[in-house]
Amino acid sequence: GAGVSQTPSNKVTEKGKYVELRCDPISGHTALYWYRQSLGQGPEFLIYFQGTGAADDSGLPNDRFFAVRPEGSVSTLKIQRTERGDSAVYLCASSPARNNEQFFGPGTRLTVL
Amino acid sequence: GESVGLHLPTLSVQEGDNSIINCAYSNSASDYFIWYKQESGKGPQFIIDIRSNMDKRQGQRVTVLLNKTVKHLSLQIAATQPGDSAVYFCAEIRGNTGKLIFGQGTTLQVKP
Repeated sequence: GAGVSQTPSNKVTEKGKYVELRCDPISGHTALYWYRQSLGQGPEFLIYFQGTGAADDSGLPNDRFFAVRPEGSVSTLKIQRTERGDSAVYLCASSPARNNEQFFGPGTRLTVL
Repeated sequence: GESVGLHLPTLSVQEGDNSIINCAYSNSASDYFIWYKQESGKGPQFIIDIRSNMDKRQGQRVTVLLNKTVKHLSLQIAATQPGDSAVYFCAEIRGNTGKLIFGQGTTLQVKP
């Protein structure tokens, strides 16, 4: 069956621009997670959705980062006024429920010039 | 601060040998650990998990050992194959949201 998909696979932008990263979870998965992975590091938690609501956004680094999941399925991670330090791979994972196995997408590689 | 981490950045083994990848954690309250495999350009892939009420768990060619006394866990891969070449992460599920806390990763290189 279809796994988690993320678009775009690569995004190059200029410092100060706004970007949106999309995640399509596995159908029926109510839990959705965003992580950020810098080169040579493990993924770092950003935000967790249970259904439509952000149940834990403690990993968002600052108020330039925001995420939505309006219908409890697709999620969009939004980054305002991008900085070079935002360059990383942004990973999305979905799960049938919290504390269950998480299935990861291939990630979006964001490069801020 | 509390952390989950791995001992070695790179492990090189001969095809057919067994591999052992180690991980240390600092939070004695941690009770659920997962090993992930990440190939280049892909997201992490679940390998095996273990809860703190167990010392050992086996899967297909993989075994995870948990030593709560010294806060250490290891991943053993039997008869390592070229397809096992990847970065391996141990991760802890923390809190009641199920968020994963990852270590830095060990790169496994399998020599033919």
